[in-house]
Formats: sequence, C-alpha cells, structure tokens
Amino acid sequence: GAVVSQHPSWVICKSGTSVKIECRSLDFQATTMFWYRQFPKKSLMLMATSNEGSKATYEQGVEKDKFLINHASLTLSTLTVTSAHPEDSSFYICSARDTIKATFFGQGTRLTVV
Amino acid sequence: AQSVTQLDSHVSVSEGTPVLLRCNYSSSYSPSLFWYVQHPNKGLQLLLKYTSAATLVKGINGFEAEFKKSETSFHLTKPSAHMSDAAEYFCVVSDRGGATNKLIFGTGTLLAVQP
Repeated sequence: GAVVSQHPSWVICKSGTSVKIECRSLDFQATTMFWYRQFPKKSLMLMATSNEGSKATYEQGVEKDKFLINHASLTLSTLTVTSAHPEDSSFYICSARDTIKATFFGQGTRLTVV
Repeated sequence: AQSVTQLDSHVSVSEGTPVLLRCNYSSSYSPSLFWYVQHPNKGLQLLLKYTSAATLVKGINGFEAEFKKSETSFHLTKPSAHMSDAAEYFCVVSDRGGATNKLIFGTGTLLAVQP
C-alpha cells in the first residue's frame, strides 16, 4: 500500500530554536497534505491543509508564522516550528492524499522542547 | 458541519470476548466514515472505511463496522479481542460532498485488553 514517511520520528530541541519536520509520500503523488497535532491522550487536531505549489490553509487558532508549512513538490511537505517553546511539545502527524482521495498517515514526530 | 462523538473514552475487555466501540456522527453531506487505530507513539492505521456502498464494512484484523443512517452511528466491533488489539481507536468523518474533504477526528477510545 501507499507509504507516507515522516522524519524525524522524534526530536528534542532547545527553547527558541526552530525545528523542521518532513512528510514524504514515497510511492504516490500527493497534491494535498495535512498536518495534525496530537496532545497527550487527546485526539488529532487539524492544523493546516497544504496544497502543492500554493500557500497552506490554516485552521482557526493556528499561528501561521509559528508553524510554517511548505509544499514545494508533489511528494514533500515540511512543517517548521519556529522559535519553539515547551508548550509546542507534542506529537505531530502528517497525512497525504492521493489522486483518488485516499488518505495515508505518516508515523508521526514526537517533538520535545526543553 | 461534520462531527463525530465517541461515546466511551475507555473500554476494557477480556481477551477472547467481544469488542464494541461506539461512534455517532453528524454530517451535512453524505459522509464517509473511517475507523483508525493508533498504537502508542505510532502513526495511524486505517482499519476500515464506509463510502456509501455496503452498510456493513469489514476491515483488517477481524474488525467490522455497520453504518446505520437512522441512528447516525458507525460502531466498531470485533467478535473476539486479542491482546494486540490494545490501542487507541479513532472514529473519523469526512464530507464527501463538501469542498475540503477534511477528516474530522473523534476524541478517541482507549481499548484495554485484559488477559
């Protein structure tokens, strides 16, 4: 089946630094990718929808300057957490949608900001 | 607008007994409905999906779910639980008729399986 690879699977960074998370569709083209955030023991909250070659659409309450999303190709989207703070610590998951609108999820990235 | 309500945040069953995870949905459009499973610190795996064909949907690992429009429900069942089924389960709705096709997640049900 289709595979979505997320990298890194976990990262620890210092407060104030920026962290980039990659989401790649390995065997299909994804015109749309989604970024989710999952708090401990909570559901997934959609942060933004990323369309290849255009600006991402952010959900209400998500700071676009804080969470920079780039979708430069049909197989890669990146999420950059800028000037990270401990409250940004979370599990971030991406998903990618193929041309027949099937959605596949990455394995997630555990971000810890110290 | 679409939403899903997972009625139980925790469910505990004994190995070999049936599993029932409840989900009710609300959708302005003809919905697509999904169940995903998430093991600790892992991504999500699709168990099954309903997209307007047969109302009884069979998924992987022996799970199935029945779409009941009159009850706006999409409960997940399995006849006999295995220890490996212990995980978090999410009911998800997507509006097939809507423009964005976003996935809206329920709050999740944590399934514990006792030996």
